[in-house]
Amino acid sequence: QVQLQQWGAGLLKPSETLSLTCTVFGGSFSGYYWSWVRQPPGKGPEWIGEINHGGYTNYNPSLESRVTTSVDTSKKQFTLKLTSLTAADTAVYYCARGQAGPTNFYYDYWGQGTLVTVSS
Amino acid sequence: AIQMTQSPSSLSASIGDRVTITCRASQGIRSELGWYQQKPGKAPKLLIYAASSLQSGVPSRFSGSGSGTDFTLTISSLQPEDFATYYCLQDYNYPYTFGQGTKLEIK
Repeated sequence: QVQLQQWGAGLLKPSETLSLTCTVFGGSFSGYYWSWVRQPPGKGPEWIGEINHGGYTNYNPSLESRVTTSVDTSKKQFTLKLTSLTAADTAVYYCARGQAGPTNFYYDYWGQGTLVTVSS
Repeated sequence: AIQMTQSPSSLSASIGDRVTITCRASQGIRSELGWYQQKPGKAPKLLIYAASSLQSGVPSRFSGSGSGTDFTLTISSLQPEDFATYYCLQDYNYPYTFGQGTKLEIK
């Protein structure tokens, strides 16, 4: 059974950097798109970006200048960093496993979510 | 970015009702759309991928249809555990984008 467990600081100040790590338990680390999604309180989810085991990335253009993702295949971990935080970055952040086929893609496993609050 | 518009934004229904939720894309996305269910305080759960493929373990009362710009999620007979918020997600091109959600409530 695949599980994603995520952790990181939940309360940050404006201008600080968010750092979250997601560890994959069970299953392979190769062949998937390890992704981050956030959800502001009371709103719909927003796709942040993805990275594969080889380090290939795609980011949401709305966040691209502030986002970095990385992988550590030996630990089956991937990490999100988001710089220059403002109150607008307050959200629940999720990690997720993206699975791609010839004509389909989906997120089948998700982390438990981390509420990140940006406040002075 | 492709905009995904869901309707309705909220819906009240009774146990046993048939319910349909619609998602419209701002441009054609072939069949590259998924449906997710989210309950309060939980991560989204995959129901349908590739517009109409049922994820393993998901009850058969859930079904999806559509291609191009117009898609539907149908629940054939509502069960108590189905009251949640539903989101569509397009994976046709980057950035992937979600609909704004449909909150399904008990009448």
